[in-house]
Amino acid sequence: DQQVKQNSPSLSVQEGRISILNCDYTNSMFDYFLWYKKYPAEGPTFLISISSIKDKNEDGRFTVFLNKSAKHLSLHIVPSQPGDSAVYFCAARGIQGAQKLVFGQGTRLTINP
Amino acid sequence: DAGITQSPRHKVTETGTPVTLRCHQTENHRYMYWYRQDPGHGLRLIHYSYGVKDTDKGEVSDGYSVSRSKTEDFLLTLESATSSQTSVYFCAITDPNGSYGYTFGSGTRLTVV
Repeated sequence: DQQVKQNSPSLSVQEGRISILNCDYTNSMFDYFLWYKKYPAEGPTFLISISSIKDKNEDGRFTVFLNKSAKHLSLHIVPSQPGDSAVYFCAARGIQGAQKLVFGQGTRLTINP
Repeated sequence: DAGITQSPRHKVTETGTPVTLRCHQTENHRYMYWYRQDPGHGLRLIHYSYGVKDTDKGEVSDGYSVSRSKTEDFLLTLESATSSQTSVYFCAITDPNGSYGYTFGSGTRLTVV
C-alpha cells in the first residue's frame, strides 16, 4: 500500500512560469517531508524539506507547502528554468526510527523554452 | 570528493548467478540504505543498516541479503539473480541529527538476462 503518492507522472511547464508538483500521503506518523531532484544517470539530490510542524518552507525559487489536514504537500518552483527539467520525488520520513524515507513514484518535469 | 560511491556502475548478469553490489562511504554516517528504482514505483527500500552488523529488512527484501562488517561499507547481495531484479540500485546514507534526509550514490544499473 503506497503511503506516499505522486499522482502526476509528468508535467510540462513553460520557462519562466510556475511549476507545481503535488504529493499526497496516508500516514500521519511522518516528521519530515522532503523533495529530491533526479537527473538521468545520477542519484537523487536533496532539494528542500519541511518539518511536520510547519506549513511552509522557502529556499530561493523553491517553496514547499504542507497541508496536514489534507495530508498533502506541494513544491512550487518560480520561475521555472530549463535546468529544472528532471524527475522529482517527494519523500516522507517516519518517526519510528532508523530515519527511513518512503518515496513517491516521481514526477517528470519538463520545462519548455 | 564524493562521500558515497557505488560499484559497479553497470552490470549485466545471467539469471541464477549471485551478484554483489558495493556501497562505500567516507562520512562515517551510522545509517545506510539500499533502494531500487523502477518505473511507476519510485524508490523502494530493500534493506537498511543502523550500525555495524545491524541490519533490517525494507519493503522489498525478498531475494536480497546485506552485510555491514565496517562502518564505511554496505554490501547488497542478490543470492540468485532473477529478471525481476533488473533495476537501478541506489545506496544512501544519512546523519540522524540532520533534517536533510539522505545523500545518494550515483546508482548501479543491473540487468539480469
